[in-house]
Amino acid sequence: GAVVSQHPSWVICKSGTSVKIECRSLDFQATTMFWYRQFPKQSLMLMATSNEGSKATYEQGVEKDKFLINHASLTLSTLTVTSAHPEDSSFYICSARGGRGETQYFGPGTRLLVL
Amino acid sequence: QKEVEQNSGPLSVPEGAIASLNCTYSDRGSQSFFWYRQYSGKSPELIMFIYSNGDKEDGRFTAQLNKASQYVSLLIRDSQPSDSATYLCAVLKGGGADGLTFGKGTHLIIQP
Repeated sequence: GAVVSQHPSWVICKSGTSVKIECRSLDFQATTMFWYRQFPKQSLMLMATSNEGSKATYEQGVEKDKFLINHASLTLSTLTVTSAHPEDSSFYICSARGGRGETQYFGPGTRLLVL
Repeated sequence: QKEVEQNSGPLSVPEGAIASLNCTYSDRGSQSFFWYRQYSGKSPELIMFIYSNGDKEDGRFTAQLNKASQYVSLLIRDSQPSDSATYLCAVLKGGGADGLTFGKGTHLIIQP
């Protein structure tokens, strides 16, 4: 149980384009989903927290107009990187938490390369 | 002071020995503590979590928490080469609605 999927696993795009990443909880309803980013040899950094049906809460320094998050259902959250630039190249990982538990289950991650 | 600190390693341990991984955190209000394992190029996978002071055992893994010292550790008994990975300590400050704060991780190498 507690499986989280992400799509796509890899994306390469040109600078200036927008990229959408999907995060799905496959066997449970995720009341809260989280988006993290990990640069090479760095730890995971929380970008934003999203609850189904409400606006996402962004961490300090994360531009909400650049990283659009939609949590339209209890099993799906999307992250759209708008007008991506090379410095946005990173490993984007979502996690999901269900019910009353505090444990977060991570998706397999999406590696983004902006040329 | 960093919120969650870990020795980056690498920590080299012979196969079959006990690997000891340590983590300290700065926020005394932190409530829950998690250990994740991350293989190169992959996302983290949960090993175990601990909420209360003391030890918690799960198979070959034991988590230890000392809130007074703001210290959490992970012991891996009978280390196997497949345990070679980066181990991430993560702290949950408040309730489940909060995101995790991660340390940079300790790179563990189990020598056959």
